[in-house]
Amino acid sequence: EAGVTQSPTHLIKTRGQQATLRCSPISGHTSVYWYQQALGLGLQFLLWYDEGEERNRGNFPPRFSGRQFPNYSSELNVNALELEDSALYLCASSRRGNLNYGYTFGSGTRLTVV
Amino acid sequence: QKEVEQDPGPLSVPEGAIVSLNCTYSNSAFQYFMWYRQYSRKGPELLMYTYSSGNKEDGRFTAQVDKSSKYISLFIRDSQPSDSATYLCAMNGVGYGQNFVFGPGTRLSVLP
Repeated sequence: EAGVTQSPTHLIKTRGQQATLRCSPISGHTSVYWYQQALGLGLQFLLWYDEGEERNRGNFPPRFSGRQFPNYSSELNVNALELEDSALYLCASSRRGNLNYGYTFGSGTRLTVV
Repeated sequence: QKEVEQDPGPLSVPEGAIVSLNCTYSNSAFQYFMWYRQYSRKGPELLMYTYSSGNKEDGRFTAQVDKSSKYISLFIRDSQPSDSATYLCAMNGVGYGQNFVFGPGTRLSVLP
């Protein structure tokens, strides 16, 4: 079974630009979660998508947005990049309503804003 | 006060040692408790999952939950160099939907 795949692995952008990160969940998983892991801050919840809809978002500004496609893959967009957006962005997936096995995470996209 | 606190480490132990990793939390609504292991440059992987209070054992790993003290622990017996990683606790409960709240992680190094 293929795991959660994220692309690109690394992304370097300049301040003010936009970044697009992509995630493919495990087959059969309908929920996709996005987390930001900044140095020293741990994992911060960004967004939860299920069945194509945004179900919840964390305490992040509106320039962090995303969507989920009919095949359950997802995209995270970060507009007007700021230096502090530099972090590892992790995508995870699960079957909706079944957290008995937690999330399955991808390896992340390392975003560097210069 | 953060919702979930975790010993920041780093923690260095000799191979074969028993390791104790701990998290405390403030919200009594938490009912689901998980431990993740994260190797450098990788995403976290689920190690242990427990519901409510009690102990759970899986090989060299034992997870303990004490809801009365709002305290959870992960014990690693006979630690190996391959256990060197960052360990994250995560929690979920009423009002949190499908979202887990993660601790900041403890970095563990097991020295051969």
